[in-house]
Amino acid sequence: DTGVSQDPRHKITKRGQNVTFRCDPISEHNHLYWYRQTLGQGPEFLTYFQNEAQLEKSRLLSDRFSAERPKGSFSTLEIQRTEQGDSAMYLCASRDRPYNEQFFGPGTRLTVL
Amino acid sequence: GQQVMQIPQYQHVQEGEDFTTYCNSSTTLSNIQWYKQRPGGHPVFLIQLVKSGEVKKQKRLTFQFGEAKKNSSLHITATQTTDVGTYFCAGPKYTDKLIFGTGTRLQVFP
Repeated sequence: DTGVSQDPRHKITKRGQNVTFRCDPISEHNHLYWYRQTLGQGPEFLTYFQNEAQLEKSRLLSDRFSAERPKGSFSTLEIQRTEQGDSAMYLCASRDRPYNEQFFGPGTRLTVL
Repeated sequence: GQQVMQIPQYQHVQEGEDFTTYCNSSTTLSNIQWYKQRPGGHPVFLIQLVKSGEVKKQKRLTFQFGEAKKNSSLHITATQTTDVGTYFCAGPKYTDKLIFGTGTRLQVFP
C-alpha cells in the first residue's frame, strides 16, 4: 500500500502527558499537512511542510504543539502536557504539487482523559 | 478571516432522491476542491474546479463553481446508500493550505 500512513491509529492518554504521532506520506510527495478534526466539524489546518521546511503554522497551534519533518520524508507531531481539549482526530495529508488534491491518511484518534 | 460555509448541515433522503449541498466562501477562491468522508473514515478527494462557472460531472455527481468563484455546489442524482457520508468543500487560503467547509452530512435510507 503506497498511501499515507499514520501511527498510532488510536491513543489514549492522561491529561498532562506528552504524545507523539507519526505520518508517512506518499513517497514522492514533497508537501505534507497536519489537520485536526473534531466530531461534526471539517478538518482544521494545523501546519504545513514543503520537504523539511515548516512553511506555515496555524494560530490554533499553541506552544505545546510542535511538528517536524527532519529529512523531508516522515513527519511527527508532538503535543506536550496534553489537555482534554486536545482530544480529536489528527489527520495527515500529502500532495506532490501545490494546489493539487491532498491524500489523507487514516488519522490518529487522540483521547485525553 | 476566511470562512467557508456549507448548507444544509444534514440531509436525509430516500434512496433514489436527489441531493444538493451548497458551499459559500467569504472570499474569492482560486480553486475549490470537494472531499467525501465516510463515517469513521478520512477525507477522500473527489474533484477540483478552477475556472469561473466550471461544471464537471462524475457519473451521478455534478459539481459547479460559481461565476464569482465564491460559491460551489455538488448535486447527486438518484442517491444510493453508497453515497452516505459527509461532503466537504475546501478552498486554498493565501498559500495552498486548505480551508475546509463545515460539511454536509448525507444519510440515505433504502
